[in-house]
Amino acid sequence: QQQVKQSPQSLIVQKGGISIINCAYENTAFDYFPWYQQFPGKGPALLIAIRPDVSEKKEGRFTISFNKSAKQFSLHIMDSQPGDSATYFCAADYSGSARQLTFGSGTQLTVLP
Amino acid sequence: KAGVTQTPRYLIKTRGQQVTLSCSPISGHRSVSWYQQTPGQGLQFLFEYFSETQRNKGNFPGRFSGRQFSNSRSEMNVSTLELGDSALYLCASSPQRGAGTDTQYFGPGTRLTVL
Repeated sequence: QQQVKQSPQSLIVQKGGISIINCAYENTAFDYFPWYQQFPGKGPALLIAIRPDVSEKKEGRFTISFNKSAKQFSLHIMDSQPGDSATYFCAADYSGSARQLTFGSGTQLTVLP
Repeated sequence: KAGVTQTPRYLIKTRGQQVTLSCSPISGHRSVSWYQQTPGQGLQFLFEYFSETQRNKGNFPGRFSGRQFSNSRSEMNVSTLELGDSALYLCASSPQRGAGTDTQYFGPGTRLTVL
């Protein structure tokens, strides 16, 4: 059962444009939603994360928008740069003592120079 | 602080063999989780260890097992390897809950190829 659905699968944007990646979750027990960035040959690295009590969080060019009622959250990358070209994963976790990230299927972002 | 380290980085095995992968977490982190990454199934949770105890387990067969040592280092073992076990195996460490962050920090992974 896929509990976190991510779209689009791939995304091509021009340098300076806005990249938008969307995720939807099913389990309302999730209460921690991180986004990870992965370059080829590397492990995923945390970009930004949000909790359901906040509707938006911004860190530099990266913004998470969160819609609790719709069970959706999205990543916006402003002023996209060629160096942002990577695979992006949304994820979800519980607040319980044990940790278990449930990942979306990933979005391969290409930023054209 | 040094990041999460995983050894070996690359491994080639044949069907039926077993393999052991190692992970050293960030200093002070007591939680270690393992994930399998494949093109078809994406990133899937295998199990999590905390203070030498398995706290959580994903939906994988019993051929996949792990353990954690008193210094928080962890190993995962896959017995009777199958072709479908070819994947990137990622280890992630995190501090205990309440330490100010829920971030899981990933290592570079071990690329396992089963022939």
